Amino acid sequence: EAQVTQNPRYLITVTGKKLTVTCSQNMNHEYMSWYRQDPGLGLRQIYYSMNVEVTDKGDVPEGYKVSRKEKRNFPLILESPSPNQTSLYFCASSLNQGEDTQYFGPGTRLTVL
Amino acid sequence: AQSVTQPDIHITVSEGASLELRCNYSYGATPYLFWYVQSPGQGLQLLLKYFSGDTLVQGIKGFEAEFKRSQSSFNLRKPSVHWSDAAEYFCAVVLPTGNNRKLIWGLGTSLAVNP
Repeated sequence: EAQVTQNPRYLITVTGKKLTVTCSQNMNHEYMSWYRQDPGLGLRQIYYSMNVEVTDKGDVPEGYKVSRKEKRNFPLILESPSPNQTSLYFCASSLNQGEDTQYFGPGTRLTVL
Repeated sequence: AQSVTQPDIHITVSEGASLELRCNYSYGATPYLFWYVQSPGQGLQLLLKYFSGDTLVQGIKGFEAEFKRSQSSFNLRKPSVHWSDAAEYFCAVVLPTGNNRKLIWGLGTSLAVNP
């Protein structure tokens, strides 16, 4: 089944404790991205990757890191999480860029205390 | 400023009633246009998209949308809503130029369906 998986689905952590949210797709997609979704602010792109080893900042990259060592995986790293990073996070992938159908993961709800 | 506007934050309709969700964009050129749906507790799923050609596009789950260039709009419609249509609906656009042709999202419209 074609899908994007994210783990964990839910995470409660404390300020400053490094965490990684994994994202994996099985569709051989080139383009992957991370979004955060906040009430009243909609979806905002954090980082994107056009291909392996090619990543770039989206609209709200501060406090986040990503890597793309393999085509299928695109982890999101929070080196020192802060409460303002409490949010719902989505990973998405597509064949190429935004005009292609985006396939979204189920989301990761992160709470930083 | 370039933007995507969904004027209705929240809409409630009765099951079986018709539905129209509005979307307007503000760009110099005609962008690619999309509607995505987010069911409770799930990720987003593409309903339909418009690039060019026939301005009335059909999507999944019985939805359709009409592109009106003169109004810079891409409204989503469904003739008869089902309870399972209760969800968040997002309009999005992509400018067909540039290196990062990313989606620009509206803020979403939350749809509630009364039995």
